[in-house]
Amino acid sequence: NAGVTQTPKFQVLKTGQSMTLQCAQDMNHEYMSWYRQDPGMGLRLIHYSVGAGITDQGEVPNGYNVSRSTTEDFPLRLLSAAPSQTSVYFCASSAPTGGTGELFFGEGSRLTVL
Amino acid sequence: QKEVEQDPGPLSVPEGAIVSLNCTYSNSAFQYFMWYRQYSRKGPELLMYTYSSGNKEDGRFTAQVDKSSKYISLFIRDSQPSDSATYLCATAGSNFGNEKLTFGTGTRLTIIP
Repeated sequence: NAGVTQTPKFQVLKTGQSMTLQCAQDMNHEYMSWYRQDPGMGLRLIHYSVGAGITDQGEVPNGYNVSRSTTEDFPLRLLSAAPSQTSVYFCASSAPTGGTGELFFGEGSRLTVL
Repeated sequence: QKEVEQDPGPLSVPEGAIVSLNCTYSNSAFQYFMWYRQYSRKGPELLMYTYSSGNKEDGRFTAQVDKSSKYISLFIRDSQPSDSATYLCATAGSNFGNEKLTFGTGTRLTIIP
C-alpha cells in the first residue's frame, strides 16, 4: 500500500493564480481531511470529508474548495492564491473506527505564493 | 486563546536523558488525547493515544493525562538521537470519529549524541 499520496510536493504560484493539490489514499478510508501547517500555528483543519459526496468546513476554509467524488481522492482547490496561503499542506485519512485518533498523513505539499 | 497550548521549544537534551513534553487544553469536553511525532519534511504519525485520565506506557514512551488540571504529558525515557522530531499533542471530544482533532503547535525536540 502506498498510503496517502500528495502531489505536487512543491509548488510556487503567483498571487491570483489557481491550482489544485491532489490527495489519494489506497486504504479504503472513509474519512479524509486537509490541514495546513504554519510556524507557531500548528496544524489547522481546512476541510474534511466523512465519505464520498460529503464534505464540511474546518477551522480555516476561506479561499479553498474541496469535493469528494470517490473514496480514494480528495483534491484541494485554491481559487485565487494569496501570499497568506503560503504554507505546508497535509492530507490525512482514517477509517471510521472511532476513538483511536490515528490519522494517516501524506508527506505534505509545500506551497509558496509570491 | 487556543484550545490546545503547547510550548514550541525548541528543546535540546543529551542522549539518555528523560524528556518531558507538555500541553494544556481548555475544553473540558475533550476525552481523547494523542501524541503525534513528525520528522523533518514528513507528515505526522501517531505515537501514543489515551482515553480520559491516566497513564499509558509503550516502551520508552509514557503518555499521561490529568483531566482535573487539563494537562497532557509525554515522557521519553533513555532518549535517543532518533527521537529528534517535532511532537504534537492532539485532542478530540466525546463524539470523536477521527474527523476533528485539535492540535497543539508542536514542540521541536533535538537529542544530542
